[in-house]
Amino acid sequence: GESVGLHLPTLSVQEGDNSIINCAYSNSASDYFIWYKQESGKGPQFIIDIRSNMDKRQGQRVTVLLNKTVKHLSLQIAATQPGDSAVYFCAEKWRNTGNQFYFGTGTSLTVIP
Amino acid sequence: DAEITQSPRHKITETGRQVTLACHQTWNHNNMFWYRQDLGHGLRLIHYSYGVQDTNKGEVSDGYSVSRSNTEDLPLTLESAASSQTSVYFCASSEMKGSPLHFGNGTRLTVT
Repeated sequence: GESVGLHLPTLSVQEGDNSIINCAYSNSASDYFIWYKQESGKGPQFIIDIRSNMDKRQGQRVTVLLNKTVKHLSLQIAATQPGDSAVYFCAEKWRNTGNQFYFGTGTSLTVIP
Repeated sequence: DAEITQSPRHKITETGRQVTLACHQTWNHNNMFWYRQDLGHGLRLIHYSYGVQDTNKGEVSDGYSVSRSNTEDLPLTLESAASSQTSVYFCASSEMKGSPLHFGNGTRLTVT
């Protein structure tokens, strides 16, 4: 079945608006999740993480929500800026596979000035 | 600042040739990883190491090998390059097992 995936491959938002990027996962044994940002020509960069014993975690302009009932993870970016344009993907760590991470395919976020 | 560097950034090689991609980290992390990134796929784990002289196969290890002779370096070798190995390769390291990965900026490999 689907492991880590994203509902939308692309997302365009106006500068200043809020962005929401979604991620579905299928392994109920996942106990840790990370959102990464990847700019063109660069490696993935850690944004924010959340453990399975939490529902919400906030950072600077970013919030991650975890809904374990429907196995859904989302990344909210407040007041989106042009510098937020990038590919975002989630990673999940399966508790029962030696602490390895499994990555989604990513959503490309474009911020329109 | 600590970092993880990959070289070369771009490489073109011919089918059947042996290729080695370098990865060097100054985080002093014991854990190092190699992933490949292809359109339509998330990052897929090739090989990983939890310390000097330790190497393990990931989900897409066929045709690849690694060696870990010191903490800082984990070179990835393609024994006989195939067109299916055209990809972008990322090296990563982590402080502890299961902790967030720090990635390099990748090597784009083209096998013709």
